[in-house]
Amino acid sequence: GENVEQHPSTLSVQEGDSAVIKCTYSDSASNYFPWYKQELGKRPQLIIDIRSNVGEKKDQRIAVTLNKTAKHFSLHITETQPEDSAVYFCAASKTGGGADGLTFGKGTHLIIQP
Amino acid sequence: DTGVSQDPRHKITKRGQNVTFRCDPISEHNRLYWYRQTLGQGPEFLTYFQNEAQLEKSRLLSDRFSAERPKGSFSTLEIQRTEQGDSAMYLCASTLGLAGSTLTNNEQFFGPGTRLTVL
Repeated sequence: GENVEQHPSTLSVQEGDSAVIKCTYSDSASNYFPWYKQELGKRPQLIIDIRSNVGEKKDQRIAVTLNKTAKHFSLHITETQPEDSAVYFCAASKTGGGADGLTFGKGTHLIIQP
Repeated sequence: DTGVSQDPRHKITKRGQNVTFRCDPISEHNRLYWYRQTLGQGPEFLTYFQNEAQLEKSRLLSDRFSAERPKGSFSTLEIQRTEQGDSAMYLCASTLGLAGSTLTNNEQFFGPGTRLTVL
């Protein structure tokens, strides 16, 4: 089955700096890659996703890049703010989670230092 | 609140007891997923329904676990003879899949979870 590795497990950045979280996946058939943000005690919420037919997607301060050849994808957050502090999970699935469940990474605890 | 809801939010039980959790998806969503999340880990997929049909089960789902979605709306997850290792947050998610298509990528909306503690 699919295996998703996520790094780093903890990332501390100064407010206003950029943060990058990286994930690799093992199943070349995976074609849907969402990123979820989970605040302490709350449910995971989708912040951005990318499909295998595109290499990059951007939404305001958040961007995701995908390299299908290398089987890795990354989350980029620019101009970080205190409210960005949370645990971020990458995930992968075939057929976009419509038929298969998502396989998640172990998460990155992002800490924004004031 | 029109999002995914789960009940109960917390459950404490003794080892060996049976427990049942309920998930109510977003009303028009035909696909429903169960995940388990332990502290410091990402959610792990357990099982998936399209309407009332259970289409996929993870090998994590032992014989003590059973899930149903009898009318294609709410779902229940039952754990029999609970063990301490079953202690976790059980998350439900739903999405709208287009009929006849397995290629549609749609956001999975998560519920708040049921936190199970087995003593």
